[in-house]
Amino acid sequence: AQKITQTQPGMFVQEKEAVTLDCTYDTSDQSYGLFWYKQPSSGEMIFLIYQGSYDEQNATEGRYSLNFQKARKSANLVISASQLGDSAMYFCAMREGLRTGANNLFFGTGTRLTVIP
Amino acid sequence: GAGVSQSPRYKVAKRGQDVALRCDPISGHVSLFWYQQALGQGPEFLTYFQNEAQLDKSGLPSDRFFAERPEGSVSTLKIQRTQQEDSAVYLCASSLSNIEAFFGQGTRLTVV
Repeated sequence: AQKITQTQPGMFVQEKEAVTLDCTYDTSDQSYGLFWYKQPSSGEMIFLIYQGSYDEQNATEGRYSLNFQKARKSANLVISASQLGDSAMYFCAMREGLRTGANNLFFGTGTRLTVIP
Repeated sequence: GAGVSQSPRYKVAKRGQDVALRCDPISGHVSLFWYQQALGQGPEFLTYFQNEAQLDKSGLPSDRFFAERPEGSVSTLKIQRTQQEDSAVYLCASSLSNIEAFFGQGTRLTVV
């Protein structure tokens, strides 16, 4: 089974509008972390936001917020007030076993976001 | 430098050729990761170093892939006898914590 599922290959949003990118995850660990990365055409993976499995509040970083629904195993990214520079690939990722030292990230297949002027 | 640096940015190799990809992590970062990103896919884990120790190499697809970090800073990913299926972007990341990992821009390898 896929550890991270992103069901939206592509999304379009009007400039200045909000958009939600979906992510569901699969793990039997109690301790894990969820991440969102942005990958522009230059190829670099840019860290956007992090949510720990024990965090009770949804994470926010500027225009980015993570809608964490633990029972549903979803970690959707919400981008508010979209800008043209937000056009990129967005990847959801998970790190399991935070307390045992396991460190690698599992990534989804990504969502290509296009912001329309 | 300020960020993770990878070289070369682009590499074209003939099938059967050996290649070496270099990663300069952020100074002081003890953790270093290599990922492989095929076209249209998300990155997939290859291997992990903590300082000079390779603690996890479970993601290396075959024994043609070898990674080292002899002095706990610069790392090299070597692919021997390259095959067409090795064509991908190879990403390096370094981190200090379990939260944020900083990625380089990657090396795009094309095997012809």
